[in-house]
Amino acid sequence: GQNIDQPTEMTATEGAIVQINCTYQTSGFNGLFWYQQHAGEAPTFLSYNVLDGLEEKGRFSSFLSRSKGYSYLLLKELQMKDSASYLCAVRDSNYQLIWGAGTKLIIKP
Amino acid sequence: IAGITQAPTSQILAAGRRMTLRCTQDMRHNAMYWYRQDLGLGLRLIHYSNTAGTTGKGEVPDGYSVSRANTDDFPLTLASAVPSQTSVYFCASSTGDGGNEQFFGPGTRLTVL
Repeated sequence: GQNIDQPTEMTATEGAIVQINCTYQTSGFNGLFWYQQHAGEAPTFLSYNVLDGLEEKGRFSSFLSRSKGYSYLLLKELQMKDSASYLCAVRDSNYQLIWGAGTKLIIKP
Repeated sequence: IAGITQAPTSQILAAGRRMTLRCTQDMRHNAMYWYRQDLGLGLRLIHYSNTAGTTGKGEVPDGYSVSRANTDDFPLTLASAVPSQTSVYFCASSTGDGGNEQFFGPGTRLTVL
């Protein structure tokens, strides 16, 4: 079966760095996405990885290792507004997104 | 309209009633999707459409139907609602080209009693 695993919840301090991990087992691989979802709102796109390595975009970076079925999202200089759920999703061989349950990130002052 | 909209925002529905959730986008995206999001579970694909006039079944299609008469609209119908269909429903769209992100509507919170 297809499976995306992420930690359920993480806590970090304002100004610090946090790494959210995602491991996946899917039928085929055509890219990995990270989305941010604030409570009561819709998911919004953060990053896309299809090749191994690190993609940096401002305070957010995303890493992919296809051989290990592993990705992480790195958030630097955490701000209170970063408190949200972070969703990992893999595009499978049918070009459909398979979603993890999300990681709720709590930022403390 | 800017982006993707959904209606209604929320709805309480008696079991057995028919309900259509509306979704409209003005980005001329080819592909559209319906997901449900339940606590502790990831987004699950209900139905999708790669282009106007075509639809396909996702992971959890039972009890739902869709149509795609034109590029902009992608309504989701529950023919006879059941309590297990209580969920938050998100519509999304994308250009349909490989590698492009999906843009989500604000969601519809549906409660079936």
